[in-house]
Amino acid sequence: AQKITQTQPGMFVQEKEAVTLDCTYDTSDQSYGLFWYKQPSSGEMIFLIYQGSYDEQNATEGRYSLNFQKARKSANLVISASQLGDSAMYFCAMSGRDNFNKFYFGSGTKLNVKP
Amino acid sequence: GAGVSQSPRYKVTKRGQDVALRCDPISGHVSLYWYRQALGQGPEFLTYFNYEAQQDKSGLPNDRFSAERPEGSISTLTIQRTEQRDSAMYRCASSSRDEGTEAFFGQGTRLTVV
Repeated sequence: AQKITQTQPGMFVQEKEAVTLDCTYDTSDQSYGLFWYKQPSSGEMIFLIYQGSYDEQNATEGRYSLNFQKARKSANLVISASQLGDSAMYFCAMSGRDNFNKFYFGSGTKLNVKP
Repeated sequence: GAGVSQSPRYKVTKRGQDVALRCDPISGHVSLYWYRQALGQGPEFLTYFNYEAQQDKSGLPNDRFSAERPEGSISTLTIQRTEQRDSAMYRCASSSRDEGTEAFFGQGTRLTVV
């Protein structure tokens, strides 16, 4: 079974600073995917970034990067140069080898960016 | 369509009534997923279709919940004899199996059972 843990219910960051959102996972699969989704107050789920378990390089997408440490089973999201529009709920998720888009989500981290 | 469309956006129903939630995936997407999200929690997997075939229904909480996708496009999630604990956001997602790296979520249906 897959399990995702996000230990930070809420985070504050000053505008223009970087912030790291923590995510650890547990799985017995050798092949799996790790994802981050953003959920603003409007309720939509916005895909941010993906990391495959066999990818050796950390994924990056614009201001988002995923700090993948396989041995520690962690997949932290780093947001650089925070903007007010980054204030939202952030969910870490993983999928196993049986189904790429069958996600197991963490409980989320609420990020507030202060002006 | 341009995105995944779910209807209704909001549904209030009395305990004991049946409800049907609709999902219209992105055109051409073969895979369709249903998730349930309780307030303050991450989404939980309910069920999954490839084309019209229901491949995995391991997340459906009990036999009051069912889903279908008869023509491999629009899907309906039905909850019979609703209970207050069924109140949640129900989300649908679709993906193109060819791309495989991203599932697109709909806006969800907020179900409230009173």
